[in-house]
Amino acid sequence: AQSVTQLDSQVPVFEEAPVELRCNYSSSVSVYLFWYVQYPNQGLQLLLKYLSGSTLVKGINGFEAEFNKSQTSFHLRKPSVHISDTAEYFCAVSASGGYQKVTFGTGTKLQVIP
Amino acid sequence: EAGVAQSPRYKIIEKRQSVAFWCNPISGHATLYWYQQILGQGPKLLIQFQNNGVVDDSQLPKDRFSAERLKGVDSTLKIQPAKLEDSAVYLCASSLDNNYGYTFGSGTRLTVV
Repeated sequence: AQSVTQLDSQVPVFEEAPVELRCNYSSSVSVYLFWYVQYPNQGLQLLLKYLSGSTLVKGINGFEAEFNKSQTSFHLRKPSVHISDTAEYFCAVSASGGYQKVTFGTGTKLQVIP
Repeated sequence: EAGVAQSPRYKIIEKRQSVAFWCNPISGHATLYWYQQILGQGPKLLIQFQNNGVVDDSQLPKDRFSAERLKGVDSTLKIQPAKLEDSAVYLCASSLDNNYGYTFGSGTRLTVV
């Protein structure tokens, strides 16, 4: 089975500052990795995903993440955040291949301070 | 394309009552998921359908929860009887397969009083 740990429950950051949201995963097989964003009272939206190939993955809204197999990490980064980035971010993992169950982390609340 | 539709958006019931949620996935998406998201936690998979067959229901409390997906399209999730700890947001998602990630609906917020 796969699991994912999000080390920070809340991350406050000033507007236009860079941010990194941390995610570590555990799995005995090869994995797919995802980041989702959830705005208040809404469902989750896919930000980006790693399936294979380049370890640096670019997503929507200027976010990117880097897959590090040796450190079993998939940290999310943005060089300059905006107020509109205030939301909860979930890291998720599944075994590679189609139709595999996706397991979510507990989430990190990003609070952008004006 | 139209997104994943869920209804109702909000529901308040008393404990021991029953409740049902409805989900209509994106057209053509064979896989449908129901997740439970308790406040302050990440979504937890309740049940996964592939077309109208169940792939994974290992975390579904089968003594009170049931789900069906007739004709491989829309799905209903039922709770009977509800407990206070069932208060959560119930999210429906669909996908072609994991290569594409999930598309989530807006969820149903259930409050059991």
